[in-house]
Amino acid sequence: SYELTQPPSVSVSPGQTARITCSGDALPKQYAYWYQQKPGQAPVLVIYKDSERPSGIPERFSGSSSGTTVTLTISGVQAEDEADYYCQSADSSGTYKVFGTGTKVTVL
Amino acid sequence: QVQLVQSGSELKKPGASVKVSCKASGYTFTSYAMNWVRQAPGQGLEWMGWINTNTGNPTYAQGFTGRFVFSLDTSVSTAYLQISSLKAEDTAVYYCARDSDYDDDAFDIWGQGTMVTVSS
Repeated sequence: SYELTQPPSVSVSPGQTARITCSGDALPKQYAYWYQQKPGQAPVLVIYKDSERPSGIPERFSGSSSGTTVTLTISGVQAEDEADYYCQSADSSGTYKVFGTGTKVTVL
Repeated sequence: QVQLVQSGSELKKPGASVKVSCKASGYTFTSYAMNWVRQAPGQGLEWMGWINTNTGNPTYAQGFTGRFVFSLDTSVSTAYLQISSLKAEDTAVYYCARDSDYDDDAFDIWGQGTMVTVSS
């Protein structure tokens, strides 16, 4: 089955930039989406269609795509950004959706 | 406001069945597909599949065929997930999530999650 691979963890100091990658063979053909999940809460969509930001999501969240890798960038990280982040996309046929393995962002 | 409200936590014995509900409000239920997502304790998100809220046609992800059934009651804007022959490894939080306004491959509205615990 199709897989999206993320680093297990990223650590960053407040005010610095966090970058989270997500790799998958079908990413050149399928859009990627990013979710933030805090402990005990449901996920929240923070990026759609690789780089678009839903209303209400701070500008410090941005997304980009290059080949088989997409990247979520959090600029000027704040303590409240500490959470798990998941990428999500679809297989090459577009039939089945899949989540990435997840990345825990720690704000030092 | 637009929201999905799920049924409460369940404690079941192995071999039993469970039915989780997801009630939509604040939008036209049949205008958006509904997805189901599983999260085992301390683990990541798994997409289980989706159901077309117009036709009732379900699509199941690999690993979620056979014991898992998605259904609807459009008269009360509610989607259901039924799991039969429960196993310990079914212990997880189950979320319903609506296809988004931005793109129907993303999920913009999520239920609060339903914890299903399978234990003897």
